[in-house]
Amino acid sequence: NAGVTQTPKFRVLKTGQSMTLLCAQDMNHEYMYWYRQDPGMGLRLIHYSVGEGTTAKGEVPDGYNVSRLKKQNFLLGLESAAPSQTSVYFCASSAFSYEQYFGPGTRLTVT
Amino acid sequence: ELKVEQNPLFLSMQEGKNYTIYCNYSTTSDRLYWYRQDPGKSLESLFVLLSNGAVKQEGRLMASLDTKARLSTLHITAAVHDLSATYFCAVDLATDSWGKLQFGAGTQVVVTP
Repeated sequence: NAGVTQTPKFRVLKTGQSMTLLCAQDMNHEYMYWYRQDPGMGLRLIHYSVGEGTTAKGEVPDGYNVSRLKKQNFLLGLESAAPSQTSVYFCASSAFSYEQYFGPGTRLTVT
Repeated sequence: ELKVEQNPLFLSMQEGKNYTIYCNYSTTSDRLYWYRQDPGKSLESLFVLLSNGAVKQEGRLMASLDTKARLSTLHITAAVHDLSATYFCAVDLATDSWGKLQFGAGTQVVVTP
C-alpha cells in the first residue's frame, strides 16, 4: 500500500515549456487535490476533483489544468511555465470530505 | 472568504517547557486539522477535530477546538528536540465544500536544549 505517490520528484523547466505532474493513490479515495506551497504562505489549493471525470477550480487555478480520467490518478498540467510557478506541488487524496493524505511533493523550478 | 491565522509564525522552544500554538479562523466551521511538516518532507496528519469542544492528545501534543470562538490550540508539553518542525492548521471551508481546506501559514518550531 503506497498511499499517495507523485511523479516526478524534481523538475527544472525553462519559461514557456510544458509539463505534466502525475499523482496516484491506491486507497480508493474519491476526492483528490493539488496544492502549491510557497515560503511563508502555507498551502494553496490549485484544483480538485470529487470523482472520476470531474474537476473544479481552487484558490489559484490560473496557468494550470487538470484531468481525472481514472479514479486513482490526478494529473496537473502546466501549458506554458512561468517563473511564478516555481514552487513545491503536493497532491492529496481523501475519502470524501475527510482527512487528507498527502504525497511526497514535486519541487519545480522554472527559469 | 475564510481566513486562517496562526500565531506565532516562529517559536523557539526550550526543552522541557510548555508552549501553545494558536489557530484562529474567520467563518463558521466545525472541522479542523493539524499537520506536521519536516524540512523537505510532506505533510503528516496529527489531529482531526470534528466538533466543538473536541480534544485530541498524542504523546506531548494536545489539540483542541472551540468553534464558538473560532479557535484551535496545539499545546506542547515538555518540548523535546524531535518536535522541531513546521505545524499547520487547516480549516474545512464548509459542510458542502467537497473537503476543501484553507491552510494557515504555518508555525516553525525549533526546540533547543
